[in-house]
Amino acid sequence: NAGVTQTPKFRVLKTGQSMTLLCAQDMNHEYMYWYRQDPGMGLRLIHYSVGEGTTAKGEVPDGYNVSRLKKQNFLLGLESAAPSQTSVYFCASKVAGGHGYTFGSGTRLTVV
Amino acid sequence: LAKTTQPISMDSYEGQEVNITCSHNNIATNDYITWYQQFPSQGPRFIIQGYKTKVTNEVASLFIPADRKSSTLSLPRVSLSDTAVYYCLVGASNDYKLSFGAGTTVTVRA
Repeated sequence: NAGVTQTPKFRVLKTGQSMTLLCAQDMNHEYMYWYRQDPGMGLRLIHYSVGEGTTAKGEVPDGYNVSRLKKQNFLLGLESAAPSQTSVYFCASKVAGGHGYTFGSGTRLTVV
Repeated sequence: LAKTTQPISMDSYEGQEVNITCSHNNIATNDYITWYQQFPSQGPRFIIQGYKTKVTNEVASLFIPADRKSSTLSLPRVSLSDTAVYYCLVGASNDYKLSFGAGTTVTVRA
């Protein structure tokens, strides 16, 4: 099993550009999450989804949008990138009723 | 959701035992305690989970006192490869949103 796969692994954007980060999981997990991690800080929750077709805001949702059209995929969109969105983005999934998160390997995004 | 407090950083040497204590004073009856490990440039990975008393696996031990208001992750005989950030999370199985906090940065030196 691949687990949680994030694409791309690296990306450089110019201010104002848009992009979509893709997260795919093959474990049939109900819950999926997008986090960002900045130097010296823990993981901050951006958005999450408890099922196909549903999404909700986390701690730092501004500037991001998400979609969960299929159970296995969770997309994170940046409509107009800003330097403050330079970060490492992690996707995670969890089975409903379970305790353990499975994380992807991250996407390192730089906005110049 | 129970809030956790853990040290920002800890230093150790190879071969020593490292103990990281996490405080969770308002833990609820249905909450479990879960620890994650994150290496640089990687996502966190699950290492151990417990509800009460002691849990041990091939990676670590988790000690939980009777009042469950704190827990201690014990890493026996650490090596350089154990240098990582360790996160303590507290929540129930039906909690779909847990806070990771800043974690504890453990640095193992030769």
